[in-house]
Amino acid sequence: GAGVSQTPSNKVTEKGKYVELRCDPISGHTALYWYRQSLGQGPEFLIYFQGTGAADDSGLPNDRFFAVRPEGSVSTLKIQRTERGDSAMYLCASSLTGQGFNEQFFGPGTRLTVL
Amino acid sequence: GEDVEQSLFLSVREGDSSVINCTYTDSSSTYLYWYKQEPGAGLQLLTYIFSNMDMKQDQRLTVLLNKKDKHLSLRIADTQTGDSAIYFCAGHGSSNTGKLIFGQGTTLQVKP
Repeated sequence: GAGVSQTPSNKVTEKGKYVELRCDPISGHTALYWYRQSLGQGPEFLIYFQGTGAADDSGLPNDRFFAVRPEGSVSTLKIQRTERGDSAMYLCASSLTGQGFNEQFFGPGTRLTVL
Repeated sequence: GEDVEQSLFLSVREGDSSVINCTYTDSSSTYLYWYKQEPGAGLQLLTYIFSNMDMKQDQRLTVLLNKKDKHLSLRIADTQTGDSAIYFCAGHGSSNTGKLIFGQGTTLQVKP
């Protein structure tokens, strides 16, 4: 079956611009996670959705970052007034549930470059 | 909060065993995971261990967990060039939301 997909695969933008990154999880997965991975580092948690609601947004670095999942499936990560420090690989993952043993299936990521 | 530490680089010859180590600070994670990341590919779950186990074997992979020392290791037997990748250990820490806390990754280089 289809895995987690993310679009675009690459996004280059200018400082100060607004960007949207999209994640299509595996069908039927209720849990969805966003992570950010800088070069040479492990993924860093941003936000977790259970269904349509953000159950844990403690990893969002500041109020320029926002994410939605209006119908409990596709999710969009939105970054306002982008800064050069936002440049990273943004990873999305989904899992069947968010509790207990929890295999998270990762998408290929969106590489964001802020010039 | 949780902190997960890994050595950054390991180089082995094809056919040798590889051992990748990880230490963590928060012992409340029910499960601990090993993920593999290859260039151009997404993170892939390799194996996991339940926190009340000391060891888990899965074909060429052996996971050892020392809860007293908060130390996790991944042993790959008969390492192949296709095993070259970045390996991440991860746990949930004290979170009950399922979010994963990753180490910074160990790059495994397998020489023919």
